[in-house]
Amino acid sequence: DAGVIQSPRHEVTEMGQEVTLRCKPISGHDYLFWYRQTMMRGLELLIYFNNNVPIDDSGMPEDRFSAKMPNASFSTLKIQPSEPRDSAVYFCASSFDLSLYEQYFGPGTRLTVT
Amino acid sequence: QKEVEQDPGPLSVPEGAIVSLNCTYSNSAFQYFMWYRQYSRKGPELLMYTYSSGNKEDGRFTAQVDKSSKYISLFIRDSQPSDSATYLCAMSANAGGTSYGKLTFGQGTILTVHP
Repeated sequence: DAGVIQSPRHEVTEMGQEVTLRCKPISGHDYLFWYRQTMMRGLELLIYFNNNVPIDDSGMPEDRFSAKMPNASFSTLKIQPSEPRDSAVYFCASSFDLSLYEQYFGPGTRLTVT
Repeated sequence: QKEVEQDPGPLSVPEGAIVSLNCTYSNSAFQYFMWYRQYSRKGPELLMYTYSSGNKEDGRFTAQVDKSSKYISLFIRDSQPSDSATYLCAMSANAGGTSYGKLTFGQGTILTVHP
């Protein structure tokens, strides 16, 4: 398996633009997680899904952020409109039901909003 | 106050040194304790996990959990330059409902092992 795949790897956009981050989890994994990592706040859980259903979105910072998982092999995280404070590395991770402590992370998307 | 506190360092040690990394936490419901390692510009990867209190050893790595003190540690023996990375502690209550599967991470400690 290729592991968790994220695209794009880097994104530079201007304030006010819409940004869409994409993730393909490992096949067979039931859980999918979106995280944001910054120097100031560390690694924060934004939202996670179980069998394509959002379970906990309490970490989503505000209404500008939305996430979807239309099927078991694809998820998106959208920011609209983007702001400079959204600049961070966004990670997608997936895990298998019986070993939730082991989450497999993708390489991340480095987002810069100017 | 954050649920999980971890000194971000940075920590710089010579090759062969014993490294001690630590986290404290406030949520007594945490039962699963993990250490993830993150190399520069990569995603974190699981290094070790323990359940409840006690020690666990894996090669040069030892994880310790003291639930009475709400304190966990990771020891690295005979540290190598290849151990240079950010080490993140993570915890889970695994209590069902929306807590199930949810990990809370520490800030991460940046470790450099120089030859």
